[in-house]
Amino acid sequence: DTGVSQNPRHKITKRGQNVTFRCDPISEHNRLYWYRQTLGQGPEFLTYFQNEAQLEKSRLLSDRSSAERPKGSFSTLEIQRTEQGDSAMYLCASSPPLAGTAYEQYFGPGTRLTVT
Amino acid sequence: DAKTTQPNSMESNEEEPVHLPCNHSTISGTDYIHWYRQLPSQGPEYVIHGLTSNVNNRMASLAIAEDRKSSTLILHRATLRDAAVYYCIQRETSGSRLTFGEGTQLTVNP
Repeated sequence: DTGVSQNPRHKITKRGQNVTFRCDPISEHNRLYWYRQTLGQGPEFLTYFQNEAQLEKSRLLSDRSSAERPKGSFSTLEIQRTEQGDSAMYLCASSPPLAGTAYEQYFGPGTRLTVT
Repeated sequence: DAKTTQPNSMESNEEEPVHLPCNHSTISGTDYIHWYRQLPSQGPEYVIHGLTSNVNNRMASLAIAEDRKSSTLILHRATLRDAAVYYCIQRETSGSRLTFGEGTQLTVNP
């Protein structure tokens, strides 16, 4: 399978613990995105990388959260001191380095975080 | 905030056509219209996109109004596997993010 993969698929943690999620984009896709989705809502943008550079961050990416993409391939999203409000599905997407502006994003299956 | 408006839900019968509407009255001349869908327990999936002309692909057709303030996603023959939330997204040419609204929950009856 050459799609976007995310690990773990499910994570249950206690409030106050740190969690880290991993995203492996489609090979040769230089753009990588993180979104967060809560029940009944559409995904909300968190942050965007082009290669290893983090080019855009949303206000939704809290001070307790950070994302990295050190070698321009896989990415990690860390949430420190988790709160119940962090419970959500965290989605990763990637897109190829096509010229033009109408490129599509390919999404992974997501990591569901439950903070108890 | 999402710039498009869609009905919360729609229902269709299997093997019948489905027309999913979307309003994007604030669209600028260079914004594209993208459609994604999300099946249960999966990430969103690209369906189709367009700028001005109607577009067809293997999944669906996209009809864009002449004034570009609305569009319609057309599934020619709905199947049970088409039951999903469909998102209409107005995307700036220079933007990197996708701004999702709440989408339309499509139910397909056998």
